[in-house]
Amino acid sequence: QQQVKQSPQSLIVQKGGISIINCAYENTAFDYFPWYQQFPGKGPALLIAIRPDVSEKKEGRFTISFNKSAKQFSLHIMDSQPGDSATYFCAASGTGANNLFFGTGTRLTVIP
Amino acid sequence: KAGVTQTPRYLIKTRGQQVTLSCSPISGHRSVSWYQQTPGQGLQFLFEYFSETQRNKGNFPGRFSGRQFSNSRSEMNVSTLELGDSALYLCASSPGQTYSGNTIYFGEGSWLTVV
Repeated sequence: QQQVKQSPQSLIVQKGGISIINCAYENTAFDYFPWYQQFPGKGPALLIAIRPDVSEKKEGRFTISFNKSAKQFSLHIMDSQPGDSATYFCAASGTGANNLFFGTGTRLTVIP
Repeated sequence: KAGVTQTPRYLIKTRGQQVTLSCSPISGHRSVSWYQQTPGQGLQFLFEYFSETQRNKGNFPGRFSGRQFSNSRSEMNVSTLELGDSALYLCASSPGQTYSGNTIYFGEGSWLTVV
């Protein structure tokens, strides 16, 4: 059973546009929600993370929106650039655990 | 500060053999986790070690094992390799002082191909 559901599977965005990736979870024990970016042949790199005591966190062009009641969170990439083309994974971990449950990934392509 | 270092980066093994992968965490980090990444199953947690003790374990068969040394370096071993074990094996480190929601950093992985 997939603990974290991610959509869409793939996404094509024009340069300068907004990329939006959504994730949903069921386990209310989750209290840490990071996003990772992975380029081909590389390991996942931490992009941004949020805890459920805030509804939004912004770092540069990347923003996480968090809806605790709906058990959903999303990544927004503003002014998307071709260099942002990568696979993005949402993840979650819970109180009393240091392991991450990952979504299935979204392959983002930003076309010039 | 050096990142998470994994060796070897690429290896090919024959079905039935065993393999050992190595990981050096970020300096000062005491928690090391291992993940398996495949196209079909995605990223799945194998196990986590903290201060030489296994603290958490995922849903993998006993053929998958690991250990952590006093300097926090870790190894994972897969015995009796099967074709389905072909994957990218990722090591991740975190400070680990609290057992919850630590920032986790990944290495570049070891690509294992079983033939």
